[in-house]
Amino acid sequence: EAQVTQNPRYLITVTGKKLTVTCSQNMNHEYMSWYRQDPGLGLRQIYYSMNVEVTDKGDVPEGYKVSRKEKRNFPLILESPSPNQTSLYFCASSLSKMVTAFFGQGTRLTVV
Amino acid sequence: AQSVTQLGSHVSVSEGALVLLRCNYSSSVPPYLFWYVQYPNQGLQLLLKYTTGATLVKGINGFEAEFKKSETSFHLTKPSAHMSDAAEYFCATGGSQGNLIFGKGTKLSVKP
Repeated sequence: EAQVTQNPRYLITVTGKKLTVTCSQNMNHEYMSWYRQDPGLGLRQIYYSMNVEVTDKGDVPEGYKVSRKEKRNFPLILESPSPNQTSLYFCASSLSKMVTAFFGQGTRLTVV
Repeated sequence: AQSVTQLGSHVSVSEGALVLLRCNYSSSVPPYLFWYVQYPNQGLQLLLKYTTGATLVKGINGFEAEFKKSETSFHLTKPSAHMSDAAEYFCATGGSQGNLIFGKGTKLSVKP
């Protein structure tokens, strides 16, 4: 089954403790991205990747890192999480730009 | 810069009534336009998309949307609402980097 898998689904952490949210897709998609969803703001792109070893900033990249060492994986790294990064995070993948994006189930992160 | 505006953060309709969710876009080039639906505690699912060609686009679950260039609109409609349509709906357009630019979302409630 074609899918985008994020882990964990829920995470509560403390300020400053490094964490990684994993994202994996099994569709051989080139384009992957991370979004955060906040009430009243919709979804905003954090980072995206057009292919292996090619990543770039989206609209709200501050406080986040990503890597794309393999085509299927695109982890989101928070080196020093802060409470303003409490949000719902989605990973998405698509075959290329401007085609249908497939979304993961989301990761609800709380930073206290 | 591309953007989308969704009019109405909450829309409530009775079961069997017409659903109309409004979306206006801003783009200097012919846009790609999408409607996504998010059910509670789930990721986003594509309802329909407009790229080129026919301006009336049919999607899943009986939804459709019409691209109107003169009005810069891409409103989502469904003739008869069902209880299972209760969800949050997002209009999106394609950004220059292949990212999706989302509106702030409209929560649809369906009353029995």
